Amino acid sequence: DIQMTQSPSSLSASVGDRVTITCRASQSISIYLNWYQQKPGKAPKLLIYAASSLLSGVPSRFSGSGSGTDFTLTISSLQPEDFATYSCQQSYSTPWTFGQGTKVEIK
Amino acid sequence: QVQLQESGPGLVKPSETLSLTCTVSGGSISSYYWSWIRQPPGKGLEWIGNIYYSGSTNYNPSLKSRVTISVDTSKNQLSLKLSAVTAADTAVYYCAREGDKRVLDYWGQGTLVTVSS
Repeated sequence: DIQMTQSPSSLSASVGDRVTITCRASQSISIYLNWYQQKPGKAPKLLIYAASSLLSGVPSRFSGSGSGTDFTLTISSLQPEDFATYSCQQSYSTPWTFGQGTKVEIK
Repeated sequence: QVQLQESGPGLVKPSETLSLTCTVSGGSISSYYWSWIRQPPGKGLEWIGNIYYSGSTNYNPSLKSRVTISVDTSKNQLSLKLSAVTAADTAVYYCAREGDKRVLDYWGQGTLVTVSS
């Protein structure tokens, strides 16, 4: 199985801050990396696919980058509705695997 | 707009079989893979397995000996069976569609299944 490791596991930030979350794969996964946002009691929502492609309707303050084993999710200016848990997921080979999640909290 | 809805018992006894159904509306179950994913309370997401509308399956090796996923195209439903459950199987169970580019693009709201006597 491909292991996905996110860092940090949690962070505190203020509205307007730039936030960066990293995700590392245990082997190369090309660009088969997706990012999800999850709010308490809700299902995950797809934000970014193929490492850097923004899903239609997702605000442009979200961006993704990386290839191979190292990937980044960036929120350029954190908004109140962005406080949530973010998880990466590889779709290079089954079993699909997820990072453990990064909880973005209000500072 | 595609919608998914999980249904099934919220409480299962240890050693018994967990059975859930996911009903797909607003679109056909055909021509896509459909996944089951679970999330233990306070923990991360774990992919259980998927099924193509034709019936072809892939399972997570960590659960493969206990999992069966099936599809009923006439009812636009997929099902999950997990046998010999323990407390470690307590989780919110989600079904999701695997869209183009291998992404989980539509999710059900999830259903909490507790394993307890």
